[in-house]
Amino acid sequence: ETGVTQSPTHLIKTRGQQVTLRCSSQSGHNTVSWYQQALGQGPQFIFQYYREEENGRGNFPPRFSGLQFPNYSSELNVNALELDDSALYLCASSLEASAGMRYFGPGTRLTVT
Amino acid sequence: QQQVKQSPQSLIVQKGGISIINCAYENTAFDYFPWYQQFPGKGPALLIAIRPDVSEKKEGRFTISFNKSAKQFSLHIMDSQPGDSATYFCAARDQGGKLIFGQGTELSVKP
Repeated sequence: ETGVTQSPTHLIKTRGQQVTLRCSSQSGHNTVSWYQQALGQGPQFIFQYYREEENGRGNFPPRFSGLQFPNYSSELNVNALELDDSALYLCASSLEASAGMRYFGPGTRLTVT
Repeated sequence: QQQVKQSPQSLIVQKGGISIINCAYENTAFDYFPWYQQFPGKGPALLIAIRPDVSEKKEGRFTISFNKSAKQFSLHIMDSQPGDSATYFCAARDQGGKLIFGQGTELSVKP
């Protein structure tokens, strides 16, 4: 176990709705990043937060947004859900933004119908 | 330039055999190359990682071989066991800290 927790485990939403996913990073880790993993694919980088500031973003539209809180936990918000948003959403934490090691949580399985 | 290409897509190995998974990259600015193991329904677990100034790293039955000039790296799993059956991802980190993942290799180790 990595110490990174995510909630909820599974979620079913309807197209057009909004969703919030949560992540608690490993103790002492100040950097959190979010990835989207479609079925049968490798994880795709969404964005990264370091000490409550976004410091990197992948090729995802603005309807994907996030927050990092003073205790370094994080949220991923997705607005106007589309069917293609169905995926496993992974949170990863690391000791510093420059650190190589990323420890992943178990993920949240989002299904959009 | 940001792609990491992984092969094979799937691999079947007999128990006790050697599993070899290969990855190639283009961006010479990548500075860290981890391998992750993922079981169904779970998040990726960091297995082993290497920096580009090292040609080989071994941890137990797992070895990374790194060829900087060819821009290729590979994972070798010695004495493969049925419990190693999982999906393996190579990845590369860019200067912004983002990990770029390969497409994954589904490994099946037959008893």
